[in-house]
Amino acid sequence: GDSVTQMEGPVTLSEEAFLTINCTYTATGYPSLFWYVQYPGEGLQLLLKATKADDKGSNKGFEATYRKETTSFHLEKGSVQVSDSAVYFCALSERRGSQGNLIFGKGTKLSVKP
Amino acid sequence: DAGVIQSPRHEVTEMGQEVTLRCKPISGHNSLFWYRQTMMRGLELLIYFNNNVPIDDSGMPEDRFSAKMPNASFSTLKIQPSEPRDSAVYFCASSSSGRGGTLAKNIQYFGAGTRLSVL
Repeated sequence: GDSVTQMEGPVTLSEEAFLTINCTYTATGYPSLFWYVQYPGEGLQLLLKATKADDKGSNKGFEATYRKETTSFHLEKGSVQVSDSAVYFCALSERRGSQGNLIFGKGTKLSVKP
Repeated sequence: DAGVIQSPRHEVTEMGQEVTLRCKPISGHNSLFWYRQTMMRGLELLIYFNNNVPIDDSGMPEDRFSAKMPNASFSTLKIQPSEPRDSAVYFCASSSSGRGGTLAKNIQYFGAGTRLSVL
């Protein structure tokens, strides 16, 4: 079945460092891809998404590009802030207008030190 | 919109007791999802509804768990009897396949969760 694999954390960076969190997927169809973020004590919220190959999702300085050839959707940010400390989840859903579930990776905890 | 509302935020109970978690989805959304999050297993989908009808309950761990959605604005997840291994954070999420106001369709919006501790 469909699955998402993301790098294990925790990831600890200094403020203004470059961030990459790797995510690869396995899917039989043409999934949409998502990054969700979970701040301490809160639910998940959508960070960015991409619905087809070569799409780039971006939000709050974060970017991820849908790479069909490498089945990847890596999350990047050029300069992280302490406020970016959170758990990041990569996810996919089948694309055909389905209301079905999102398949999540296990999450990567990011800690940014001042 | 107030977002997805879950209650209670925290629940502490003793083993064997019945626990009921509640969720109010975003108005106009027609899909609702229940998830469980633990350190060991991460985020797991338990069940989801579309137009108040359960579509996939394959993630429900066992018969002690049940979920209902009597109308478009309310859902419950019940555990009876509860066990210590049920301790987790339970999230509800909702989404829309239609013109759900200003929120993007097919995006899941999560509540703040219910932290359940079974002693």
